[in-house]
Amino acid sequence: NAGVTQTPKFQVLKTGQSMTLQCAQDMNHNSMYWYRQDPGMGLRLIYYSASEGTTDKGEVPNGYNVSRLNKREFSLRLESAAPSQTSVYFCASTRTIIEPQHFGDGTRLSIL
Amino acid sequence: DAKTTQPPSMDCAEGRAANLPCNHSTISGNEYVYWYRQIHSQGPQYIIHGLKNNETNEMASLIITEDRKSSTLILPHATLRDTAVYYCIVRDDQKLVFGQGTRLTINP
Repeated sequence: NAGVTQTPKFQVLKTGQSMTLQCAQDMNHNSMYWYRQDPGMGLRLIYYSASEGTTDKGEVPNGYNVSRLNKREFSLRLESAAPSQTSVYFCASTRTIIEPQHFGDGTRLSIL
Repeated sequence: DAKTTQPPSMDCAEGRAANLPCNHSTISGNEYVYWYRQIHSQGPQYIIHGLKNNETNEMASLIITEDRKSSTLILPHATLRDTAVYYCIVRDDQKLVFGQGTRLTINP
């Protein structure tokens, strides 16, 4: 059971570079989420996709774009990376909004 | 903003019960309370959730007060591997809003 798989696990970028973080789930879940976690903080929602074909902004969407490629995959893109986007990024999925979310292991992104 | 408040840190002796409190005084009638934990920098791990009845699973018990304004997560026999940050969350529409959680340290 892979659950939620995120790639890459680590990445270092230069300011201004672009990058796509990949997330895939094999649980046939309808909803998928992208969070970021800064040191000593809780997770903050960037974007979510309630179902295939829909996406919505979360708490901190600026500087990011998302694509719900199909039911399994939800990608997060940084078009022009900034040092303020240095963070750990987590993807999550759930079958319904009442059921618990399942999280991936995270992508650790550093922007110099 | 998170709809819950938790103490920033707690300590518990190994083998004892760990009781983690959470206040959610603005919870509405159809909102569930969820508990997750995060060990080191891993992805959050789901523990338990409930609406108004007490719940128990293989990991923990959840006690929700009758007025639903607070709850307590109970780890019955804490081990060193339970050292983690524990988040109590009331879902906000589609979103889980994470506060800063309680850093639980289990001492040998």
